[in-house]
Amino acid sequence: KAGVTQTPRYLIKTRGQQVTLSCSPISGHRSVSWYQQTPGQGLQFLFEYFSETQRNKGNFPGRFSGRQFSNSRSEMNVSTLELGDSALYLCASSLVGTATNEKLFFGSGTQLSVL
Amino acid sequence: QQQVKQSPQSLIVQKGGISIINCAYENTAFDYFPWYQQFPGKGPALLIAIRPDVSEKKEGRFTISFNKSAKQFSLHIMDSQPGDSATYFCAASETYKYIFGTGTRLKVLA
Repeated sequence: KAGVTQTPRYLIKTRGQQVTLSCSPISGHRSVSWYQQTPGQGLQFLFEYFSETQRNKGNFPGRFSGRQFSNSRSEMNVSTLELGDSALYLCASSLVGTATNEKLFFGSGTQLSVL
Repeated sequence: QQQVKQSPQSLIVQKGGISIINCAYENTAFDYFPWYQQFPGKGPALLIAIRPDVSEKKEGRFTISFNKSAKQFSLHIMDSQPGDSATYFCAASETYKYIFGTGTRLKVLA
């Protein structure tokens, strides 16, 4: 069974641009969540989707948005990029995302650099 | 606002030694406490997890100790090996999301 696939692996953008990251969950997984990883800050929760509905959102500005498609694939978008958005963006999938006892499977992430 | 505090930030241990990483949480509604291991260039992978109705869980060389009254939990790695060198994250779960600690970079010297 294929793991969580994130594309692209690396991205370089300039301030003010927007970017879209893609995540394909493990087959059969319906919950997809996104995390931002920066040195010293650990993993910060962005949002979680299940059956195309956003069920929870972290404390990030509205420039960060996401969506999930009927096949459970997900995208996240960051508009008007800022230097501070440079980070590793991780996608994780799980069966139904109810958290308790449910294992998260992470992709290798998209490394975004904003110049 | 960091709801899960993790320490130390970095740790160097000799091969065969015990590595100990500690985490403390505030929200008593958390109901699941996993530890994730991350190697460079890879996403985090679940290592071991515990529920708050259990005080200890052991899987091979990895043990979680959980103190519900103190709202603390820790990861012990026995007989640490160079292959254990990685970043470790504790986490706590609430509705539809995980709160992660800031990570501990472990280096095991050969």
